[in-house]
Amino acid sequence: DAGVIQSPRHEVTEMGQEVTLRCKPISGHDYLFWYRQTMMRGLELLIYFNNNVPIDDSGMPEDRFSAKMPNASFSTLKIQPSEPRDSAVYFCASRSGAGEQFFGPGTRLTVL
Amino acid sequence: KNEVEQSPQNLTAQEGEFITINCSYSVGISALHWLQQHPGGGIVSLFMLSSGKKKHGRLIATINIQEKHSSLHITASHPRDSAVYICAVGEKTSYDKVIFGPGTSLSVIP
Repeated sequence: DAGVIQSPRHEVTEMGQEVTLRCKPISGHDYLFWYRQTMMRGLELLIYFNNNVPIDDSGMPEDRFSAKMPNASFSTLKIQPSEPRDSAVYFCASRSGAGEQFFGPGTRLTVL
Repeated sequence: KNEVEQSPQNLTAQEGEFITINCSYSVGISALHWLQQHPGGGIVSLFMLSSGKKKHGRLIATINIQEKHSSLHITASHPRDSAVYICAVGEKTSYDKVIFGPGTSLSVIP
């Protein structure tokens, strides 16, 4: 398996633009997680899904952030409108049952 | 006070040294995770444990539930061990809600 795939790997955008981050989990994994990593706050859980259903989105910073998982092999994290303080590395991870999590390579987002 | 704390924050060691990184937490947990983040940014899960001790190669992780403390040991350290090591705990009430520690940056010098 190719592991967790994220795209794009780098994104530079201007404040106010819409940003969409994409994730393809490992086939057969039933849990998918979105994390954000910044220098100030470290790693934070944003939202996670089980069998494509959002279970907990309490970590989503505000209404500008939304996440979807339309099927078992694809998820998106959208920021609209983006702000400079959204600049971070966004990681997607997937897991099967109660096993270990496998992380994607991350998307480095810079909002100017 | 942070719910998950790590010490030391930064660590420099000579190749071959025995290394210990500590993690303490203040919440009830379902499991504790040790992660490794390499300079390139990729994150790898090293251990997941809820009691006792686990060993994988030169890495050993221990946890003391009563004291709310875990340690990650690296024996015979090598420059390729240079990375940030992150402790994370799954909340007792929600296994999947993970709280991360700030990380320990390790540099192993040849």
